[in-house]
Amino acid sequence: RKEVEQDPGPFNVPEGATVAFNCTYSNSASQSFFWYRQDCRKEPKLLMSVYSSGNEDGRFTAQLNRASQYISLLIRDSKLSDSATYLCVVNTGGYQKVTFGTGTKLQVIP
Amino acid sequence: EAGVAQSPRYKIIEKRQSVAFWCNPISGHATLYWYQQILGQGPKLLIQFQNNGVVDDSQLPKDRFSAERLKGVDSTLKIQPAKLEDSAVYLCASSFAETGILQVTDTQYFGPGTRLTVL
Repeated sequence: RKEVEQDPGPFNVPEGATVAFNCTYSNSASQSFFWYRQDCRKEPKLLMSVYSSGNEDGRFTAQLNRASQYISLLIRDSKLSDSATYLCVVNTGGYQKVTFGTGTKLQVIP
Repeated sequence: EAGVAQSPRYKIIEKRQSVAFWCNPISGHATLYWYQQILGQGPKLLIQFQNNGVVDDSQLPKDRFSAERLKGVDSTLKIQPAKLEDSAVYLCASSFAETGILQVTDTQYFGPGTRLTVL
């Protein structure tokens, strides 16, 4: 089992739709969780950190479920500009190694 | 605030040749990361430094890859000799992460990357 797993997609959604991505992690000792966004041929950029109690930033909501070992990202009212690859990032293992998922590609369609 | 700088942006070499990449992190950032991103995959951590010490290099192919961060600031990543499968984007990132462990309050800032093509 991979340390961090994501559905690669693509997720094709119409503008205004709500879309959710999940990311599962294998190591229960993982401490820190993040969502990064990567545009085509660009570097990843932090979208949001994932706090234990869940957190929201505008149209974006991140949740952590430690019992089932997954994090989620919810995007409401999708915009064309949300089209990108969303990378799940987890600090895994005893040494807290930074591990990226393969990314989930989102395409918002007019 | 200046971002993470990397050079060169592109490099084309033939297999068995050597290549080196340079990274200048954001001023004051203790932790520096080198990642390899193959097309269609997420970035894979190659090596992580805290100041000039190595925190993790478990995924660095040490028979051909080497990296250093001598003065705890700039870093270089070298491949010698290169193989076809090394074709990828090499990303450098830095974070404040004083302890070397990325906390939920930390942000990794990435440079633009070096796109390496091995022929």
